[in-house]
Amino acid sequence: NAGVTQTPKFRVLKTGQSMTLLCAQDMNHEYMYWYRQDPGMGLRLIHYSVGEGTTAKGEVPDGYNVSRLKKQNFLLGLESAAPSQTSVYFCASSYLTVQETQYFGPGTRLLVL
Amino acid sequence: TQLLEQSPQFLSIQEGENLTVYCNSSSVFSSLQWYRQEPGEGPVLLVTVVTGGEVKKLKRLTFQFGDARKDSSLHITAAQPGDTGLYLCAGARTSGSRLTFGEGTQLTVNP
Repeated sequence: NAGVTQTPKFRVLKTGQSMTLLCAQDMNHEYMYWYRQDPGMGLRLIHYSVGEGTTAKGEVPDGYNVSRLKKQNFLLGLESAAPSQTSVYFCASSYLTVQETQYFGPGTRLLVL
Repeated sequence: TQLLEQSPQFLSIQEGENLTVYCNSSSVFSSLQWYRQEPGEGPVLLVTVVTGGEVKKLKRLTFQFGDARKDSSLHITAAQPGDTGLYLCAGARTSGSRLTFGEGTQLTVNP
């Protein structure tokens, strides 16, 4: 099993450009999450999904959109990137509930100039 | 304002020393998790505690959940360089709610 994979690993964007981050999991997990990690801030939840076709906002959703068209994939979109979105983005998944183990991907490092 | 406050933020110790990391809140949590994150990787779960007063041991690591389920601690005995990493606590306030992460404690164990 590959677990949770993220694409790309690193990306540089100019302000105003758009991009999509892809997360894939092969553990048949229902729940999937997108977090951002900034120095001194821990992990903050952007959006999450409790099943295929569902999405919900986390604590910092502004400027991001998500889609979960297939159970194994969770996409995070930035329509118009801003320097404040420079961060490390982590995708995670869990089997049923949020209290269960969350399995994290290796992260995507995004720099917005 | 962080819902979960971790202390200290940074800790640098020598191999063989003992240490304790704290995770505190004014809110009650139904469960609390501890993760370790190494550079360039995602966090990995170490333990989940769900009962007030619960103590769990993982080799040289001892985790405790406060009686009131508002705080937790992680104690490492005889730290080794392999323990170096970012330690994150994360709590769920109710059984169906999202996880809230603390800001983390960056531990460096020097040989």
